[in-house]
Amino acid sequence: QVQLQESGPGLVKSSQTLSLTCTVSGGSISSDNYSWNWIRQPAGKGLEWIGRIYTNGNTHYNPSLKSRVTISLDTSKNQFSLKLSSVIAADTAVYYCAREFARWGQGTLVTVSS
Amino acid sequence: DAVMTQSPLSLPVTLGQPASISCRSSQSLVHSDGNTYLNWFQQRPGQSPRRLIYKVSNRDSGVPDRFSGSGSGTDFTLKISRVEAEDVGVYHCMQGTHWPPTFGQGTKVEIK
Repeated sequence: QVQLQESGPGLVKSSQTLSLTCTVSGGSISSDNYSWNWIRQPAGKGLEWIGRIYTNGNTHYNPSLKSRVTISLDTSKNQFSLKLSSVIAADTAVYYCAREFARWGQGTLVTVSS
Repeated sequence: DAVMTQSPLSLPVTLGQPASISCRSSQSLVHSDGNTYLNWFQQRPGQSPRRLIYKVSNRDSGVPDRFSGSGSGTDFTLKISRVEAEDVGVYHCMQGTHWPPTFGQGTKVEIK
């Protein structure tokens, strides 16, 4: 059964770049043409879809974040990554990675500090 | 963006009794391919979301049959036929028909 695990710094300074990695185990990130997604959830609030990358490398980003987001794939490491630039306090959230929306990681809290 | 509005936002329920959550979209969720991409997720306290229902009424593998989804167009419902203690948490609806995918605010289910 496929499992996903987020990793990365839990604290990022304002105006810097947030970088997270999602490691996939129990299956190849290259198999089939799944979408590999990033979603976030500020404390006590709802979920917000950030973007996705397909196995073929195609990416789609939420227009509200598009200018600051980059998602990439590393098939050799069975990982995909998120970069969010110029972060502000409002980017503080639990960040989740997910395959399609059927398999989710446990999430990682990222706090943006001033 | 398609705005997803859930009600109620808080739902106290009695064990063994039914529960129902509504999700309304600002736009019809019928895709040009004929499918309706409306999902329901359960998020237990301290856990990540788990998909329960996809395309309105299809239960994911391992989801108890006390959970059911229904609806069409802009109005959708998640029903729990008999609430159990493990059903406590926040339930989210999500649409994948319109760009970008969007979620409802979440409905918190708690035991009375």
